[in-house]
Amino acid sequence: QKEVEQNSGPLSVPEGAIASLNCTYSDRVSQSFFWYRQYSGKSPELIMSIYSNGDKEDGRFTAQLNKASQYVSLLIRDSQPSDSATYLCAVKTSYDKVIFGPGTSLSVIP
Amino acid sequence: GAVVSQHPSWVICKSGTSVKIECRSLDFQATTMFWYRQFPKQSLMLMATSNEGSKATYEQGVEKDKFLINHASLTLSTLTVTSAHPEDSSFYICSARATPYEQYFGPGTRLTVT
Repeated sequence: QKEVEQNSGPLSVPEGAIASLNCTYSDRVSQSFFWYRQYSGKSPELIMSIYSNGDKEDGRFTAQLNKASQYVSLLIRDSQPSDSATYLCAVKTSYDKVIFGPGTSLSVIP
Repeated sequence: GAVVSQHPSWVICKSGTSVKIECRSLDFQATTMFWYRQFPKQSLMLMATSNEGSKATYEQGVEKDKFLINHASLTLSTLTVTSAHPEDSSFYICSARATPYEQYFGPGTRLTVT
């Protein structure tokens, strides 16, 4: 079983819609979770971090964490074409390393 | 804040030569830095964890004699790809831990071995 799994996509949503990205992880002891955005040919940039169960909102982004289900999600409201990118879920494991999922490619159609 | 730089941003070298990549935390001290490698259309794969003043910890399957890591100061870590071969061509990205909870990435170095 891979440590961090994501739907590979591509996920296509119309402009203005909500994009929903999902991630599951295998290390039950993990405490820190991150969402990164990566444009083609560029380095990842941190969008959000979440450490407690529940929702965390930042602008158009909402991260959701359910440790019992080992599940993290990212919602993007009012999606814009500039949101088109690959979204990487990352988990800080009990070994103090940040491991990335395979990424979900998002395409926002104008 | 929390800016990480890498140098060079891209490099082309001939097979058999060695290449050094620098990673610097510009506005914070980083006791821990990480080196990742990313092949086209794949995710980031952790290669090694670099701790200031001590030997790096390599992930399984990563040859430590081929990928030499030095973390000589709290703001600088270097990755040297020794005797590079075409299969080492990849996007190398470093990351520095700014707090126990967050790490920030450098812009990456694209290595092409001909």
